[in-house]
Amino acid sequence: ETGVTQTPRHLVMGMTNKKSLKCEQHLGHNAMYWYKQSAKKPLELMFVYSLEERVENNSVPSRFSPECPNSSHLFLHLHTLQPEDSALYLCASSQDWVLRRTLAKNIQYFGAGTRLSVL
Amino acid sequence: QKEVEQDPGPLSVPEGAIVSLNCTYSNSAFQYFMWYRQYSRKGPELLMYTYSSGNKEDGRFTAQVDKSSKYISLFIRDSQPSDSATYLCAMSYTGNQFYFGTGTSLTVIP
Repeated sequence: ETGVTQTPRHLVMGMTNKKSLKCEQHLGHNAMYWYKQSAKKPLELMFVYSLEERVENNSVPSRFSPECPNSSHLFLHLHTLQPEDSALYLCASSQDWVLRRTLAKNIQYFGAGTRLSVL
Repeated sequence: QKEVEQDPGPLSVPEGAIVSLNCTYSNSAFQYFMWYRQYSRKGPELLMYTYSSGNKEDGRFTAQVDKSSKYISLFIRDSQPSDSATYLCAMSYTGNQFYFGTGTSLTVIP
């Protein structure tokens, strides 16, 4: 176990549904991330939260809405998704977002992901 | 042009073989380099990270960075069936936002 838990592990939803992905980290980290992993494509960074504030939003469509209520929890709210949004959604956390003296505190620990299928 | 290029494989080797996994990149500002391993139905887990050029060894794994050629490698000695996974390279110039390769799928045959 990496200390990052994602639920649900699998999700099937229609294009008109609203659902949420949940991520919880038990590592005492200050930064949390959402990534999208599609077949034969690199991991795409979607959002970054540092100390519960969003610090990165990489041109993600508004049908994806993140929420970080505290430093241990991260949500990704989904609505009116498209079939091309079907992918593995990974959550990660790291001790810090800003680089300090050593890279060790920026190492990202990933959850097992939520496999999303949009019909 | 992609920031990071990685041959997706699949790569299949017999147990005990030396495995070489590689990535090339275009941004000469990259200075932090990582290798992740991802088992099926799991998230990526960090194997090794290096800063700038040179080699780093950890058990059966050696990471190598050649900044002049914009080329990084991961070598696995005495490969085991448990090494069967997808290997992702990642790199950064800031130390926090990382650019990932597409991953190379490796199978080690007993």
